[in-house]
Amino acid sequence: GQSLEQPSEVTAVEGAIVQINCTYQTSGFYGLSWYQQHDGGAPTFLSYNALDGLEETGRFSSFLSRSDSYGYLLLQELQMKDSASYFCAVRDPNYGQNFVFGPGTRLSVLP
Amino acid sequence: SQTIHQWPATLVQPVGSPLSLECTVEGTSNPNLYWYRQAAGRGLQLLFYSVGIGQISSEVPQNLSASRPQDRQFILSSKKLLLSDSGFYLCAWSPGVLTGELFFGEGSRLTVL
Repeated sequence: GQSLEQPSEVTAVEGAIVQINCTYQTSGFYGLSWYQQHDGGAPTFLSYNALDGLEETGRFSSFLSRSDSYGYLLLQELQMKDSASYFCAVRDPNYGQNFVFGPGTRLSVLP
Repeated sequence: SQTIHQWPATLVQPVGSPLSLECTVEGTSNPNLYWYRQAAGRGLQLLFYSVGIGQISSEVPQNLSASRPQDRQFILSSKKLLLSDSGFYLCAWSPGVLTGELFFGEGSRLTVL
């Protein structure tokens, strides 16, 4: 089967740096994706790591270690608008064309 | 550019009534299409996915069904809704096998009373 684990909640202040971790157990693995979802909205794609290492996109960075079945999303210079839920997802080739999502991490950014 | 739309955005239905949610993708061909459901404050549960016209795979046994009558159209249906069908339904598309990007529609919030 497939399972992903994330912390349920994270709180930080404006301007700070926060890291959201994701560990996964899947029978196969193409890569790890991250999505942001604001309350009442649909998830939006943030980043994708297929290979080990760090990918940087503006204030957001994502890291993957395939040997450790672990990744994280790093958010720098936090802003109030970053308050949202963040989901990691794995695309498992042994699971058809499907994306398996983690339970999500609720990030609250305080002034 | 590619866009995805789903409708209706909100609906309130009585138990036992039928359901039809529609999703269309523009600006791409032969996308992989997905229906997810999200209960309040929870993660995303995959319901159906499709890799081509008429090809539907179901992940969760339930009273819902899906159809893909055209390349870029994906429909979620039910003949008789249950209270437990309430939730936020999300259509999504992916450009291919070796990509990690999944793009979601605006979502349809269903309340079954």
